[in-house]
Amino acid sequence: KAGVTQTPRYLIKTRGQQVTLSCSPISGHRSVSWYQQTPGQGLQFLFEYFSETQRNKGNFPGRFSGRQFSNSRSEMNVSTLELGDSALYLCASSPSTSGNTDTQYFGPGTRLTVL
Amino acid sequence: AQSVTQLGSHVSVSEGALVLLRCNYSSSVPPYLFWYVQYPNQGLQLLLKYTTGATLVKGINGFEAEFKKSETSFHLTKPSAHMSDAAEYFCAVTGGATNKLIFGTGTLLAVQP
Repeated sequence: KAGVTQTPRYLIKTRGQQVTLSCSPISGHRSVSWYQQTPGQGLQFLFEYFSETQRNKGNFPGRFSGRQFSNSRSEMNVSTLELGDSALYLCASSPSTSGNTDTQYFGPGTRLTVL
Repeated sequence: AQSVTQLGSHVSVSEGALVLLRCNYSSSVPPYLFWYVQYPNQGLQLLLKYTTGATLVKGINGFEAEFKKSETSFHLTKPSAHMSDAAEYFCAVTGGATNKLIFGTGTLLAVQP
């Protein structure tokens, strides 16, 4: 099976712009989660989608949003970018058959730089 | 609430030496524990996980970890380090009604020749 894919791999934006990142989960996986990784804050959970519905949400401002499509692909959007949004954004998919014991499989990430 | 503490942000070992990366957790519900590895410019790869049952868990690349409830620990070990083990290692916990991963701050492992 193909792994989790994320596009684009690298992005450079300027403050105030918005950005959309895409994630294609492993075939058959219905849960997609997003994480932000920064040197200062480490790995932080953004949100999780399951069957096109947001199931869990982390402590991020409303500028961060996401959605999931019927084929389980997911996008996350960040509006009004700030310098502090520069990070590696990781997507993870899981089958979500056994809930919280499922392994989450991570993609390679999208490196976002905000200038 | 759940949390994970990784002791030692940087660990250096010689090739062939024992690798020991420490992880302590806090959880108000039965925890499920994970170790992930991250190589430069890559995502996270699962090394091993503990859910229920046997407390000694074996993973990929010769790594293993033991769940010790009395010590609230889940330390990662490998008997003999290899140069290819140089990477950053993250301990994580989930539990309760969510599969949201709570990560530790990571331990960067250096392997000296």
